[in-house]
Amino acid sequence: KQEVTQIPAALSVPEGENLVLNCSFTDSAIYNLQWFRQDPGKGLTSLLLIQSSQREQTSGRLNASLDKSSGRSTLYIAASQPGDSATYLCAVTSGTYKYIFGTGTRLKVLA
Amino acid sequence: GAGVSQSPRYKVAKRGQDVALRCDPISGHVSLFWYQQALGQGPEFLTYFQNEAQLDKSGLPSDRFFAERPEGSVSTLKIQRTQQEDSAVYLCASSFPTNTEAFFGQGTRLTVV
Repeated sequence: KQEVTQIPAALSVPEGENLVLNCSFTDSAIYNLQWFRQDPGKGLTSLLLIQSSQREQTSGRLNASLDKSSGRSTLYIAASQPGDSATYLCAVTSGTYKYIFGTGTRLKVLA
Repeated sequence: GAGVSQSPRYKVAKRGQDVALRCDPISGHVSLFWYQQALGQGPEFLTYFQNEAQLDKSGLPSDRFFAERPEGSVSTLKIQRTQQEDSAVYLCASSFPTNTEAFFGQGTRLTVV
């Protein structure tokens, strides 16, 4: 059974820092890995989708990498801003359509 | 529409009441999913539709939960005889085709009192 773990559970950093969020999964036979952002009381906003054949994706200040063999993905946020404060969720699909989510990392960027 | 739309955004139900939650997926999206998110947790899969066919309902927690998508577009998640443990955010997502990027709605926050 696929399990997704995110570390750390919570993170507080000063504005301007570069930071890394980690996601690990137990079954390397994944189809996609997707990173989402969730603001309090809101739905999920897709940030980056990495297909199993890819190793990384970039969008603006965000870069996500995927290492299937080790069951890991990282989300790198450059030059963090207070507006980046949110919960970041990673999710995988494993040949089926279901997303299996981690419990998220709650990020707070201090001004 | 431009995105996945869910209504109502908030619902307070008395224990034992029936509720119906609506999801309008992105136009043309074949796949539709419902997820349940408890406070402080990641979303958990409830059910999946491909067009009007419900192909997987393995995540529905009990027979009080029922979902439908009769014309392959709008979907309704119904919860009968609500209980306190049903309190959660219910998220709908759609994609086209399956196993491509999923787009989520804003969710419906259900509170059972």
